[in-house]
Amino acid sequence: EAQVTQNPRYLITVTGKKLTVTCSQNMNHEYMSWYRQDPGLGLRQIYYSMNVEVTDKGDVPEGYKVSRKEKRNFPLILESPSPNQTSLYFCASRPGGQGLYTQYFGPGTRLTVL
Amino acid sequence: GQQVMQIPQYQHVQEGEDFTTYCNSSTTLSNIQWYKQRPGGHPVFLIQLVKSGEVKKQKRLTFQFGEAKKNSSLHITATQTTDVGTYFCALRRGAGGGADGLTFGKGTHLIIQP
Repeated sequence: EAQVTQNPRYLITVTGKKLTVTCSQNMNHEYMSWYRQDPGLGLRQIYYSMNVEVTDKGDVPEGYKVSRKEKRNFPLILESPSPNQTSLYFCASRPGGQGLYTQYFGPGTRLTVL
Repeated sequence: GQQVMQIPQYQHVQEGEDFTTYCNSSTTLSNIQWYKQRPGGHPVFLIQLVKSGEVKKQKRLTFQFGEAKKNSSLHITATQTTDVGTYFCALRRGAGGGADGLTFGKGTHLIIQP
């Protein structure tokens, strides 16, 4: 089944404890993104990647890092999490080329930073 | 980057009533997408509109792109309980090259009373 997977789905952690949220897609998509969703603010892009080793900042990159060493994986790294990073996180991917621009979203990771 | 305002933020309807959500921009849009997010779920692609004045239908859902390509709407006829969720419009970032991903409206929460 074509899908985007994220792990963990739920995480409660403490301020300053480094964490990684994994994202993997099995559709051979070139493009991947991370979004965070907060009440009243909708979804905002954190980082995106256009291909292996090609990443760039979205609208809210502060406090986050990403890497794209393999085409299928796009982990989100919080080196020193803070309470304002408590949020619902979504990874998404899409194929390359022009035309339809559908984004395929993962199931989400609910992160709480105490 | 381009921004889009989505209204209303919340809409309560009785089952069987119609529902409409609107997205408006101060600038001309190259394209617009619509996504649905069920409670506890992830955004799911519904449709993409590209042409001025475009109207597309999916069963009880009708999507419109304004003649000036500055606004779009999603209309649901005779709502059902399965329509509950949040509906987002989204713009493709970097349509002319460069950035990737989506810029989302803040969404309209559709609440249906049986």
